[in-house]
Amino acid sequence: DTEVTQTPKHLVMGMTNKKSLKCEQHMGHRAMYWYKQKAKKPPELMFVYSYEKLSINESVPSRFSPECPNSSLLNLHLHALQPEDSALYLCASSQEHVLASEQYFGPGTRLTVT
Amino acid sequence: AQKITQTQPGMFVQEKEAVTLDCTYDTSDPSYGLFWYKQPSSGEMIFLIYQGSYDQQNATEGRYSLNFQKARKSANLVISASQLGDSAMYFCAMRNYETSGSRLTFGEGTQLTVNP
Repeated sequence: DTEVTQTPKHLVMGMTNKKSLKCEQHMGHRAMYWYKQKAKKPPELMFVYSYEKLSINESVPSRFSPECPNSSLLNLHLHALQPEDSALYLCASSQEHVLASEQYFGPGTRLTVT
Repeated sequence: AQKITQTQPGMFVQEKEAVTLDCTYDTSDPSYGLFWYKQPSSGEMIFLIYQGSYDQQNATEGRYSLNFQKARKSANLVISASQLGDSAMYFCAMRNYETSGSRLTFGEGTQLTVNP
């Protein structure tokens, strides 16, 4: 199974809402990632989890809160977002400490903040 | 600092022809990996091909091959016999653990359009 799944596929939320994005992989990967991607731009790294511990936080605003409940699951909790946070949110996973290990990406969640 | 440069914002190719997408990189780390990803309009990033800095031969995966010129710091993707389904955004990316851990540095991408 070389699949990363993400739910929901689409999400529309108001600026006062609280929602969560979910990501799951069963490839035994110990590194998991959240990216934000605007149209026609490369993905921007937000967070990296390594062995269920947050290892990289790219100075992301606190209205984004990641969580890694176990080695297969990664959540992104959203609260009080701004319209400029509308984007495609991609989850990825890879083997850790293996230079040649590609990142496997999920299909993404298209988020619209109204 | 790591940097990936893709100088072609858009490329057009006729179906069944070959096309080369350019990628140059900059790093001071002798050990690094280079990746190419395809992103169709649906949004999913699809891994295509990998080249390690110490690999002696250019990587190939089916219709994809990587023209790796280490001295020039270039890693161009060659797609042979283009198909309509190849129309997508293509990203070149690099990783090296010395300086960036598991972080991937992406280029700005090239939008490829395959014409019938």
